Amino acid sequence: DQQVKQNSPSLSVQEGRISILNCDYTNSMFDYFLWYKKYPAEGPTFLISISSIKDKNEDGRFTVFLNKSAKHLSLHIVPSQPGDSAVYFCAASGNFGSWGKLQFGAGTQVVVTP
Amino acid sequence: NAGVTQTPKFQVLKTGQSMTLQCAQDMNHNSMYWYRQDPGMGLRLIYYSASEGTTDKGEVPNGYNVSRLNKREFSLRLESAAPSQTSVYFCASSGLGTGGRTEAFFGQGTRLTVV
Repeated sequence: DQQVKQNSPSLSVQEGRISILNCDYTNSMFDYFLWYKKYPAEGPTFLISISSIKDKNEDGRFTVFLNKSAKHLSLHIVPSQPGDSAVYFCAASGNFGSWGKLQFGAGTQVVVTP
Repeated sequence: NAGVTQTPKFQVLKTGQSMTLQCAQDMNHNSMYWYRQDPGMGLRLIYYSASEGTTDKGEVPNGYNVSRLNKREFSLRLESAAPSQTSVYFCASSGLGTGGRTEAFFGQGTRLTVV
């Protein structure tokens, strides 16, 4: 039973426009949420995170929004660049013995076109 | 600063063979993890070690064993490989920074095929 869901397997966006990636979760015990970016043949790399005590966190072109009541978070990339083409994973963690125990979504493949 | 290093990068095994995947981190992190990634399923936790000397099962532990050799190293062993264990395996580590817990850092992965 997947506790973290990314319902859009793929997203195509034009360079310079906004990319919006969505993620839903079911476990109310999650208190920390992360986005990872993954290129082919590489490990996931951390992008941005948000604690459950906040509803927004921004880092350069990347902003994550958290709606706890809806158990929903989203990642906004503005403006999108060709180097942003990758698979993006949403992940969640809580105090389950180790903070690094992450529940991952299935990922969203983002393609940024010129 | 290498971060998290996994070996080997690729491996082909025959059904029933055994092998050990090695992982080492140089970030002085207390916690280490093994995940597997399968198409359409994201990453799933196999085993983790919250601190040196402890290991615990994750979501999909069957068919695997682990050893936390020391604070730096965490190995994953397949005793009798099965085709269902064909996957990409990622090792990760995490710790505590000045601002609290850190994110998990991942190795480059091991692509394992069991035939």
